[in-house]
Amino acid sequence: DQQVKQNSPSLSVQEGRISILNCDYTNSMFDYFLWYKKYPAEGPTFLISISSIKDKNEDGRFTVFLNKSAKHLSLHIVPSQPGDSAVYFCAASGNSNTGNQFYFGTGTSLTVIP
Amino acid sequence: DAGVTQSPTHLIKTRGQQVTLRCSPKSGHDTVSWYQQALGQGPQFIFQYYEEEERQRGNFPDRFSGHQFPNYSSELNVNALLLGDSALYLCASSPGTVEAFFGQGTRLTVV
Repeated sequence: DQQVKQNSPSLSVQEGRISILNCDYTNSMFDYFLWYKKYPAEGPTFLISISSIKDKNEDGRFTVFLNKSAKHLSLHIVPSQPGDSAVYFCAASGNSNTGNQFYFGTGTSLTVIP
Repeated sequence: DAGVTQSPTHLIKTRGQQVTLRCSPKSGHDTVSWYQQALGQGPQFIFQYYEEEERQRGNFPDRFSGHQFPNYSSELNVNALLLGDSALYLCASSPGTVEAFFGQGTRLTVV
């Protein structure tokens, strides 16, 4: 059962425009959400995170929005750059005293066109 | 800081064989998790080690086992390999916080 879903396998955006990547989750116990970026032949690289007590977190060109009632989060990249072309994974973690297992979505492949 | 390092980077094994993958966590990190990423999928949690004990386990059969050493490095062992075990195996380390740092992965091909 896929608890974290990324329904758009791919996205193409013109350089300089906004990229919006979406993620939905089903488990209301998730309380921490992360975005990872992955280039081919490399491991995922942490990008940005958000706690469930917030609805927005910003880091430079990257902003993550969380809508708890809709169980939805999104990653905004503004302005998009060709180097942003990669696969983006959304991940969620539950409130557990025994560790921080991540549940990942299936990823969205972003292509930024120069 | 070398970050999370995994070895080997690529591996080809035959069905029924056994394999051991290795991970050295980022300096200062005491928690190591292993993930399996099949083609076109997101990483799936296998298990997590802390203080040399398996702390949490995902939905993987007992053929998947692991170990953590006193220096926090870790091994993933898979017995009786199946074709379906072909995947990218990722190791992630963390200092006990939620954010985890991933290695580059080991690409396992079972033929």
